[in-house]
Amino acid sequence: QQQVKQSPQSLIVQKGGISIINCAYENTAFDYFPWYQQFPGKGPALLIAIRPDVSEKKEGRFTISFNKSAKQFSLHIMDSQPGDSATYFCAASGVDSNYQLIWGAGTKLIIKP
Amino acid sequence: EAGVAQSPRYKIIEKRQSVAFWCNPISGHATLYWYQQILGQGPKLLIQFQNNGVVDDSQLPKDRFSAERLKGVDSTLKIQPAKLEDSAVYLCASSLGTSWSNTGELFFGEGSRLTVL
Repeated sequence: QQQVKQSPQSLIVQKGGISIINCAYENTAFDYFPWYQQFPGKGPALLIAIRPDVSEKKEGRFTISFNKSAKQFSLHIMDSQPGDSATYFCAASGVDSNYQLIWGAGTKLIIKP
Repeated sequence: EAGVAQSPRYKIIEKRQSVAFWCNPISGHATLYWYQQILGQGPKLLIQFQNNGVVDDSQLPKDRFSAERLKGVDSTLKIQPAKLEDSAVYLCASSLGTSWSNTGELFFGEGSRLTVL
């Protein structure tokens, strides 16, 4: 009930391509879905987040798509750049998790020049 | 605005020794978290404080780990005695929000990397 499943585990994309990372959750009470970006040797940093009242949120080249009925959400990175190479974590939280983030396992993204 | 400060950045110890990590959160942030991140995995919450009270320590191995948050500001995480499986990055995070609301963003420090030999 509390799991967040993230895929793929790793992803290689050519520069300029679209990177897509998917997450699925089980608990329908979750109402906050952030994506965090982590560079080697650094802590995770919030990239973008969505609440279930909208199906899509866009910030620059980063877009979250949210499908409430399927209990899935995804991160799309348009025009992927080498500087986007990092590990990406999805997460979810809500009243059933006492508002603590339930983290996915992470996706290591490599953008090839 | 200063970020979350952690020290030391790196620590190498022998098993059964003790180690302590320090965290200074962003000024004014009520909630402080300690996470353990093993290589290739997502962060695992160890303990959550609100001000100087413990909100959740259900995943803290209390036989060897302890944490405190003095005066609701700085926090220390101690491991005694350390085991090989404690090798990980220990991340401190803080947030403006309280434990009973979904106010969003966690701000992480750069972490303290522990190697237990």
